Amino acid sequence: GENVEQHPSTLSVQEGDSAVIKCTYSDSASNYFPWYKQELGKRPQLIIDIRSNVGEKKDQRIAVTLNKTAKHFSLHITETQPEDSAVYFCAASTNTGGFKTIFGAGTRLFVKA
Amino acid sequence: DTEVTQTPKHLVMGMTNKKSLKCEQHMGHRAMYWYKQKAKKPPELMFVYSYEKLSINESVPSRFSPECPNSSLLNLHLHALQPEDSALYLCASSPPSGSYNEQFFGPGTRLTVL
Repeated sequence: GENVEQHPSTLSVQEGDSAVIKCTYSDSASNYFPWYKQELGKRPQLIIDIRSNVGEKKDQRIAVTLNKTAKHFSLHITETQPEDSAVYFCAASTNTGGFKTIFGAGTRLFVKA
Repeated sequence: DTEVTQTPKHLVMGMTNKKSLKCEQHMGHRAMYWYKQKAKKPPELMFVYSYEKLSINESVPSRFSPECPNSSLLNLHLHALQPEDSALYLCASSPPSGSYNEQFFGPGTRLTVL
């Protein structure tokens, strides 16, 4: 079945450093790749997304890249801050007979002050 | 109104009880979703409604019964649940944007089955 793999499961960085989270997906029909941030006890919040017809997208300190051929996509956070500490989920979505989104297992990011 | 709301925030129920979870959005979104999330795990898709019709059921046990009475409201009826069904139940909605599936999540209902 469809699968999204996410690495690493835990990432610890010093404040000001960059953080990179990588995902791969299996369903070649996937056409939309959102990233969610979930703080403890809170709902997942969409932080950035990328569509299959785009290779890169940036929003201030956050950027996402997509390699459709390799079925890879990555999240890059620059100048990390303690408030970036959370669990980050990548996801891959298709629209074949109804929207279906498969989530990666999540990356727990710790930003040390 | 620019968010998805869910009630109740917390629910404790016995295995013989019948209860319902409620989700509401007034953003004009035409797709609504139920997810189950266990601790330290990603959300798992349960059901998708598109234009008030059930379009995806991810082989969820029949003790979970979804209902979409109108385009703003989504319910999840619970009956004869098991302790392993204890989890955070998240509702989400997405706009009718054609091919792309930008989902907005509600705060969730934390369910405990005794």
